[in-house]
Amino acid sequence: EDKVVQSPLSLVVHEGDTVTLNCSYEVTNFRSLLWYKQEKKAPTFLFMLTSSGIEKKSGRLSSILDKKELSSILNITATQTGDSAIYLCAVLIQGAQKLVFGQGTRLTINP
Amino acid sequence: EAGVVQSPRYKIIEKKQPVAFWCNPISGHNTLYWYLQNLGQGPELLIRYENEEAVDDSQLPKDRFSAERLKGVDSTLKIQPAELGDSAVYLCASSFSDQETQYFGPGTRLLVL
Repeated sequence: EDKVVQSPLSLVVHEGDTVTLNCSYEVTNFRSLLWYKQEKKAPTFLFMLTSSGIEKKSGRLSSILDKKELSSILNITATQTGDSAIYLCAVLIQGAQKLVFGQGTRLTINP
Repeated sequence: EAGVVQSPRYKIIEKKQPVAFWCNPISGHNTLYWYLQNLGQGPELLIRYENEEAVDDSQLPKDRFSAERLKGVDSTLKIQPAELGDSAVYLCASSFSDQETQYFGPGTRLLVL
């Protein structure tokens, strides 16, 4: 069974801190790994990582894919209260063409 | 560019009643997905459409759930009859193809009493 596990499930930090969110996966046929930010309801796309693009960066957010360790991290530097959200990791399964999501990490940034 | 549109945003019904959710994908996106998200969990795929064809409905509880995507654009997901355990957020997503990034709508939060 395809599985994606995120850790920690919940994280509370102060504004300005740097955080690292983890995602590990065990899937039958990996195609790509995606990170989403979910505020209120709609998951918003952040990054897609594939074998040919294992590191992505956008502003204060960056993500790395480790295909050997079957994992990925999402880093957020100089956190702001607006970064408070649930961060979802998902793996796109080749063949089945479906996204398998982790349970998410709830990040809270306190002022 | 408009994003994925869903309606209604909230729905409260009594158990055994029918309910329907509507989704309008991003223009030009051929692939449409319906997901179910329970509290504290990640979304789980219910059904995937390529144009008007349901190519993966293996996770759809077909005894009470049905979906359609007439003309390969808008889609409707229906539950009849609803049960208490159906209370969740129902998310619609679309992508240009099944290889591309999926973009999500705001979801419909269903509460079954």
